[in-house]
Amino acid sequence: DSGVTQTPKHLITATGQRVTLRCSPRSGDLSVYWYQQSLDQGLQFLIQYYNGEERAKGNILERFSAQQFPDLHSELNLSSLELGDSALYFCASSVLSGGAPDEQYFGPGTRLTVT
Amino acid sequence: TQLLEQSPQFLSIQEGENLTVYCNSSSVFSSLQWYRQEPGEGPVLLVTVVTGGEVKKLKRLTFQFGDARKDSSLHITAAQPGDTGLYLCAGEKGNTPLVFGKGTRLSVIA
Repeated sequence: DSGVTQTPKHLITATGQRVTLRCSPRSGDLSVYWYQQSLDQGLQFLIQYYNGEERAKGNILERFSAQQFPDLHSELNLSSLELGDSALYFCASSVLSGGAPDEQYFGPGTRLTVT
Repeated sequence: TQLLEQSPQFLSIQEGENLTVYCNSSSVFSSLQWYRQEPGEGPVLLVTVVTGGEVKKLKRLTFQFGDARKDSSLHITAAQPGDTGLYLCAGEKGNTPLVFGKGTRLSVIA
């Protein structure tokens, strides 16, 4: 158990809908990352938050947004869903202290199926 | 362009065999991490290497960071079915987020 929790575990929804994925980081971790993993694309970095502020953006679509709340949990919002958005979505957290390697701990993921 | 290239993509071996998988780049990294991911689960951090030439051992797994900090290898001795999974390397450069390779999918057959 990494200490990172994600809900829900599975999500099935229709095209055009909107969903929210939730992540709680390990106790003490200030940084949260969101990744998308599909069979052909590998693990794609979407976005990073650090202590409530957006820190880095990767290949995140405009239809997707995220935020990190004062209690450090994070939510990833996916809207106007398309079939191609079906994937595993992972949240990871890290301490991210200056000078030390950024060792990330991953949650169990949310499997999103868009029908 | 994939910053980190992992090879081979797929590897299927018999229990008891040795194997090496590679993670290569033309870029220099401040650190490199290896993760193992089992089907339907999140990646689990195995090791972090920081110094060029560094070798770390984790039971039957040996990790090496290249002298120039551009590449790494993972060697497994006497592979067991429990070693089956997707092995991902991830490199860190300064303050930018980790860059992940696409992984090596290992299958160890009993």
